[in-house]
Amino acid sequence: GAGVSQSPSNKVTEKGKDVELRCDPISGHTALYWYRQRLGQGLEFLIYFQGNSAPDKSGLPSDRFSAERTGESVSTLTIQRTQQEDSAVYLCASSLAGQGRSPLHFGNGTRLTVT
Amino acid sequence: AQKITQTQPGMFVQEKEAVTLDCTYDTSDPSYGLFWYKQPSSGEMIFLIYQGSYDQQNATEGRYSLNFQKARKSANLVISASQLGDSAMYFCAMRSEEGKLIFGQGTELSVKP
Repeated sequence: GAGVSQSPSNKVTEKGKDVELRCDPISGHTALYWYRQRLGQGLEFLIYFQGNSAPDKSGLPSDRFSAERTGESVSTLTIQRTQQEDSAVYLCASSLAGQGRSPLHFGNGTRLTVT
Repeated sequence: AQKITQTQPGMFVQEKEAVTLDCTYDTSDPSYGLFWYKQPSSGEMIFLIYQGSYDQQNATEGRYSLNFQKARKSANLVISASQLGDSAMYFCAMRSEEGKLIFGQGTELSVKP
């Protein structure tokens, strides 16, 4: 079966431009997470979707960041007016359920470079 | 608020020996879950082991075991018989009752031949 798919794998953009990152979770997985990982750092929680519940947006660093998810499928993370400090790998993960022992399955990430 | 702390930025271990990676956490949730992930230099995230807050026994998965001390809020990962392929970053993570899952800063493990 297919795993979590993220696109693009690499994105280079100019400061001030908007970017959109896409995540296709594993089919049937109700929970979807976005994380940011700067070079040599840990995973910084951004947002969590669980089914049709309101998402937990508590990790979004500023109002330039937003994310949407259509039902229990594709999610997009949008960064407006990109800044150099937005450069990082953006990881998406899905799990069968948002509670309990269901592990997160990660995509390969989108490496964003803001010049 | 939830918090995960990994106090060892880097660790070295001799091949074939055991190593313990520390993880402490803070939460007010009565029910929560603890995960360990491995991230090799390739960047992929590999799930290793899970411990539920109500699990009676410490989790084990092959060479990985979790030393879970609930009263001390610690969930240390023990890797037995280290192999060169174990060299990687290791992340501890905690899932709240609502499902939010946060990660610690990681420990870089280097296995020496």
